[in-house]
Amino acid sequence: EPEVTQTPSHQVTQMGQEVILRCVPISNHLYFYWYRQILGQKVEFLVSFYNNEISEKSEIFDDQFSVERPDGSNFTLKIRSTKLEDSAMYFCASSEMWSGGDGYTFGSGTRLTVV
Amino acid sequence: SQQGEEDPQALSIQEGENATMNCSYKTSINNLQWYRQNSGRGLVHLILIRSNEREKHSGRLRVTLDTSKKSSSLLITASRAADTASYFCAPAVETSGSRLTFGEGTQLTVNP
Repeated sequence: EPEVTQTPSHQVTQMGQEVILRCVPISNHLYFYWYRQILGQKVEFLVSFYNNEISEKSEIFDDQFSVERPDGSNFTLKIRSTKLEDSAMYFCASSEMWSGGDGYTFGSGTRLTVV
Repeated sequence: SQQGEEDPQALSIQEGENATMNCSYKTSINNLQWYRQNSGRGLVHLILIRSNEREKHSGRLRVTLDTSKKSSSLLITASRAADTASYFCAPAVETSGSRLTFGEGTQLTVNP
């Protein structure tokens, strides 16, 4: 079964450093998403991406966040200057259709720890 | 976007029993999706039911949708310890944005 692959599975970074989280969505999917989950809290939407541009973003997705599809297969989330409160699980997802018309496929996540 | 609200917040049953979780939402939808999350893992898509469907089955899962009451239910039959997870509903309105919004979920514990 096709999978969404995320790397690394765990990243520890110093406060103020830049991090890039990587995702390989399912190859025939057109819509890409990033979500995050702070420990013990809900899964929160960050951003959706379609046709090489952001289609929607949440209040969380401020200027320190950016997304990119640098080539035909990768989808990245960059956090420019990490803060302690950015510590969370970050999930990438992809879907074939708008609003996940046949469901989203999520990756296993990257656990980001900011120290 | 809109968020579904799952009920109950927590459910504990014995292996072999059925588990029923409910979801309520506020506005018109195009489809409603159910997901499962094992602790610390990504969400797994379980089943999608469209607004013109009333019931759908997939293996041991049965989903119902009542658009007049703006509610859905997920039934897991003959539960197993491996079904222990959090379950989330996500209403989707295809014209109102690309995001799915997840609520607090129902934490299901299946005791062996």
